[in-house]
Order: sequence, then structure tokens, then C-alpha cells
Amino acid sequence: EIVLTQSPATLSLSPGERATLSCGASQSVSSSYLAWYQQKPGLAPRLLIYDASSRATGIPDRFSGSGSGTDFTLTISRLEPEDFAVYYCQQYGSSPGTFGQGTKVEIK
Amino acid sequence: QVQLVQSGAEVKKPGASVKVSCKASGYTFTSYGISWVRQAPGQGLEWMGWISAYNGNTNYAQKLQGRVTMTTDTSTSTAYMELRSLRSDDTAVYYCARDWASAYWGQGTLVTVSS
Repeated sequence: EIVLTQSPATLSLSPGERATLSCGASQSVSSSYLAWYQQKPGLAPRLLIYDASSRATGIPDRFSGSGSGTDFTLTISRLEPEDFAVYYCQQYGSSPGTFGQGTKVEIK
Repeated sequence: QVQLVQSGAEVKKPGASVKVSCKASGYTFTSYGISWVRQAPGQGLEWMGWISAYNGNTNYAQKLQGRVTMTTDTSTSTAYMELRSLRSDDTAVYYCARDWASAYWGQGTLVTVSS
């Protein structure tokens, strides 16, 4: 089983700042099958990025994903008020399709 | 538009079983699989398994093997997840999602296990 470790656990930033979230895998993620989700309280996760760097339909271009192998990054170029939420990475290159433990982006 | 609509909240006693449904619309049901993900209160996301709506092949999380069964009914475009021998730590919101890395999720079903 591939273990995903997200860092930091919490990121305290102000609107307009840049956010950099990391996701490290215990083994190489096959074909860069890595997704990023945003989740707000009481709602289902929202897909932001798939295949490590492809933005999902309707996702603003301030969200970008990068990385391959065992190291992946989600960058939010300028935080908007609605971006404060919890973010999860998930690998789907091998079973089980494990999730990271999440990074909470909170208002400083 | 693609929609996944799940069944309503459930309260179960320890040792009982629960079956959650996920009705799909807006796409060809058999062209995609269905993933199931759960989230305990205040916790992260846990992948439970995946089923092919085309041929019924399944892939379950090892920790749930023997307690979980995922099925589909192609006549009604509905997927089901049954979890048996419920314990208090199965209390969670259960989500279905279309296939992998999905933009399409159900609204979630709260399953509470309590004596």
C-alpha cells in the first residue's frame, strides 16, 4: 500500500498570499496518477487536479499541480477567501487508492 | 448533467449491517466504475473500494475485506455498498464517486453506529 504524507498539517496564510502544499508518497506513484481535492465542512470533496497537473473542469487557474514519482505539490498562487479549506491528495495508480491525511489552509 | 444521489442517513446497532445506495444519472452507467469513500467525524478520507459497473469486478480495501460488499444494478443505474458487523468506529459519512479522481460525488450518507 502506498502511504501519502501531506505537509504541513496546517498552513496559516492571509488572502492574497501563495500557498504551497506537499504530498509525499512512500513509493513511486504509477503514471503520475495523483489527484488533489478541496473539502469544506459538510460537503463532498471537490476535484481540483488529476494526473498530477491537469486542472479539472471549472477550476480557476490559480490552482496548479506539479510533481512526479514520490513528490507532488499543489500551489494556490493567490489565496481567495473561498480557498480556506482542507486539501487532500489521493493516488489512484495502484490499489488501494490511498488518501493523504489532509492539509488545512486557515486564515492567519 | 452527471448526478449521484445517495440514500438517507442510517442509525444502526453494533453488529448490524447497513446498505447504502447511490443512484447515477446523466451518463452511461456501465462506462464507469463507482468508488466508495468514507469519512469518520473530524477525520480524513478513507478509500473503501471500487466496483466496475461494466462487469461487477471489485477491489476492496484490505481492512474491510470480509465485511464489505459492493454491487451494482445496471437496470436502475444504482450502486450499493453493504457493510456488515458494524462497530462504533464505522460511524462515518459514506460517499460514492464516479470512478477514480472524480469530479462527481454523491452528497454523502451519514451512518451512525450506536447502542
